[in-house]
Amino acid sequence: EIVLTQSPGTLSLSPGERVTLSCRASESVSNSYIAWFQQKPGQAPMLLIYGASTRATGVPPRFSGGGYGTDFTLTISRLEPADSAVYYCQYFGGLPPFAFGPGTKVEIK
Amino acid sequence: QVQLVESGGGVVQPGTSLRLSCGASGFTFSDYGMHWVRQAPGKGLEWLAIIFYDGNSKYYAESVKGRFTISRDNSKDTLYLQINSLRAEDTAIYFCAREKRGELLGLDYWGQGTLVTVSS
Repeated sequence: EIVLTQSPGTLSLSPGERVTLSCRASESVSNSYIAWFQQKPGQAPMLLIYGASTRATGVPPRFSGGGYGTDFTLTISRLEPADSAVYYCQYFGGLPPFAFGPGTKVEIK
Repeated sequence: QVQLVESGGGVVQPGTSLRLSCGASGFTFSDYGMHWVRQAPGKGLEWLAIIFYDGNSKYYAESVKGRFTISRDNSKDTLYLQINSLRAEDTAIYFCAREKRGELLGLDYWGQGTLVTVSS
């Protein structure tokens, strides 16, 4: 069973800054099986990235994903106030069960 | 447009059962695997179960195996989650989400969720 950990737990940053969020898998997984979601309060999660690095439809290019093996990242190049949210990575598509990481909360000052 | 609408939540007593539904529209339901995910108040996302496009394969999180049953009716474009022996820790918003069959494009559309509160 794949277990995902995310770091840091919470970030507080200013608009315009660049941020990189980390997601680590308990064992090596194919890039194809990693996705990232953004969730704002009171809303359903929204798919940002699949296949570790492919942006979902309508996601701005300042969101980018990377990594391989056990270590994956989500980078937001220039933070905007609307980016204030919790970000989750997910393992999916391979051998179930499909886990989510615990999330990283990004606060914009 | 694509829509997923969950229903069936509410306040229920411990030990009882509940069936949640997720109605789909705006896409070919039978082309998609479907997931249930829940979120307890103030907590993170917990993946619960997947059912493949044809209903022939189902997988569950270990934490709910034996108590939860996922099913679908492709003739009605509807996904279901049967929850038995409800516990206080099942209190959560339950989301359904779709995943395109065979393409690894991620869970690209989600419903807004239905709240289940287990309380005596």
